[in-house]
Order: sequence, then C-alpha cells, then structure tokens
Amino acid sequence: SAVISQKPSRDICQRGTSLTIQCQVDSQVTMMFWYRQQPGQSLTLIATANQGSEATYESGFVIDKFPISRPNLTFSTLTVSNMSPEDSSIYLCSVRDGNQPQHFGDGTRLSIL
Amino acid sequence: AQSVTQPDIHITVSEGASLELRCNYSYGATPYLFWYVQSPGQGLQLLLKYFSGDTLVQGIKGFEAEFKRSQSSFNLRKPSVHWSDAAEYFCAVASWEYGNKLVFGAGTILRVKS
Repeated sequence: SAVISQKPSRDICQRGTSLTIQCQVDSQVTMMFWYRQQPGQSLTLIATANQGSEATYESGFVIDKFPISRPNLTFSTLTVSNMSPEDSSIYLCSVRDGNQPQHFGDGTRLSIL
Repeated sequence: AQSVTQPDIHITVSEGASLELRCNYSYGATPYLFWYVQSPGQGLQLLLKYFSGDTLVQGIKGFEAEFKRSQSSFNLRKPSVHWSDAAEYFCAVASWEYGNKLVFGAGTILRVKS
C-alpha cells in the first residue's frame, strides 16, 4: 500500500491564525481525502481533494474555512483558517487508488489556545 | 443514507481471551465493509475488508470478520487477544452508489487486562 507522510505531526496554534497541513504520497493515487477526528469522536470527511480543480466539500465544511489544494497526484494540502478552540482535532489525510481500500496517514494533532 | 453502528463504546478483555467487536450497518445495496484500528497517537491501519465472495475474511494480526447479510452485520473477531491489541477499532462502510465515501462507526475502545 502507499506510504503517506503528513506534516506537521502535531502543532499548537494561537486563536485566529491559520495552519497548512501537508500530505505526501510515495506513489500516484486516484483519490485523496481529508478527515477530521474531534476529541473522542469518529472520523468525519471534510472534502475530497481533486487534482487540478476545486475540492468537493461535505455538508458543514466550506472552502473559506478549509481551503484545499492538490497540484498533482501525490500531494495535497489542507489549511485550517482563522482557528478557534473548536478546531482542535486530529486531521487525517487518506488516499485511495482505483478500487483499492483507503489508507490513512498518521494524522496531524492540532491544539488551539 | 449509509450509517454504521458500533454498539460497544468500550470493551475490556483479558489477555488470551477471545474477542468479538460488533458492527451493524444500514444500507440498501451490498456495501463494501472495512475494519480499521487506531493505536494511540497513530493514524488508521486497515485490518481487513469485504468486497464480495467468501463472507469470512481474514485480516492482519490474526483478525477475521464475518459478513452476515441477513443481520446487516460485519463483526470482528480474534481468538486470542494480545496486550498489543489495545486500541480503538473502527468499522466503516462504502458503496459505489454514494461515491465510495467511507462512513465510519463511532469506534470501540479495546482494553486488554493482564
């Protein structure tokens, strides 16, 4: 399966700032996704990152708050904008190639003060 | 819409004992079914998957799961639990009809006592 690297692995940020999370895959993949896992909760899909076009957001998530880029088939970024304490979560990148199952990165543990 | 229910939030088993984690789904068509494990501070690791065919599937780390269409269930089992199995386990469902998006259950936290 693909090896997924996420950076940073964790961060502590100030309220009102923004943080960009990077996801790098060691091979080209069809699909890339971003999930949020709030404390003690399950995973919720934020958006599907589309190569060369705007991401497809799930209900409750908007581009202004979570801008996403995917310049090629191996890399994507998620920005968490204008952060508040409610954004403290684990953010996970996942990938799927063709009909294969999704695989996940180790996540970015984000705390907002 | 798809939904996944993991009725047990926490389960505690003794090391060496057998384990069964329950998963039920609500879905009209034949879904694709998955079990993932998340160890503390880690991402999610795929344990096993069911797409079609034999309803008993084998996974990594000695886990297996059985798809029962009549019960809309996909329970995870292991005959003998090791202390290193302590983690959170997520059942997930996907379907081509919903764009193959994964829908996760709430998770079951497994504690192993020695």
